[in-house]
Amino acid sequence: KNQVEQSPQSLIILEGKNCTLQCNYTVSPFSNLRWYKQDTGRGPVSLTIMTFSENTKSNGRYTATLDADTKQSSLHITASQLSDSASYICVVSAPGNQFYFGTGTSLTVIP
Amino acid sequence: DAGVIQSPRHEVTEMGQEVTLRCKPISGHNSLFWYRQTMMRGLELLIYFNNNVPIDDSGMPEDRFSAKMPNASFSTLKIQPSEPRDSAVYFCASSSPGALMNTEAFFGQGTRLTVV
Repeated sequence: KNQVEQSPQSLIILEGKNCTLQCNYTVSPFSNLRWYKQDTGRGPVSLTIMTFSENTKSNGRYTATLDADTKQSSLHITASQLSDSASYICVVSAPGNQFYFGTGTSLTVIP
Repeated sequence: DAGVIQSPRHEVTEMGQEVTLRCKPISGHNSLFWYRQTMMRGLELLIYFNNNVPIDDSGMPEDRFSAKMPNASFSTLKIQPSEPRDSAVYFCASSSPGALMNTEAFFGQGTRLTVV
C-alpha cells in the first residue's frame, strides 16, 4: 500500500533554533517528492521538489534531503523564524498524476 | 495567473441542506483534484479529473458526495444531504501535464465548511 508517514506530529522550537522534520514513504513507482508549507487558513504551497537522482536541495533556510534507497526524506530548517510556524506536508508523486500526502508536522516557533 | 480559485471561502449550513463548493483551476492545467482536510486525518483525496473526466473517485466517502467538471475551467463538489461530520476544509488543486518529474499540485485557498 502506498503510504507517506511524517514525524514528529508536532514540534515547538525557540526562534533562531534549527529543526528537522522526517518523511518516510512506501510509494512505488516514484516520480518526485515535495515538501509543502501550509500556513493556517491557506492552501499548501510547494517549498522544494526532489527527483529520484537528487540527494539534497535547498531553498533559502530550508534544506531537503532524499534517500531513495531507504525511501526517507527530511526537511531541515535553519535559524527558524516566527513566520516558519505552519504545517509541513510531505507529498510523494507517482506516475499518472497521483499524489500521496503525509498528515503533516505542525511546527510552532516561539519567541 | 490568479491561481486556483475556490468559492465560497467559508460556508455554514444546517444538517440536511445541500452544499455546493466551486473551483476554477489554473488555465492550461488538465488535472483537477478535490481534497478534504481535517485535524484527525490530514489531507484526503476525494476525486480527481483528467481532461474533465473523473479518473479516481474511490476517496469519495459516500453517495452523498458528488463532483462534476463540465468544462476545463470549472468544477463543483456537492454534498447532499450534508451532515455535521462533513465539517472540514475542502481544497481544490490543479496540475499541468508538464514533465513527469516536475508535476506539482497547486492548491486553492480552500473552503471551510461547517455543518451544524
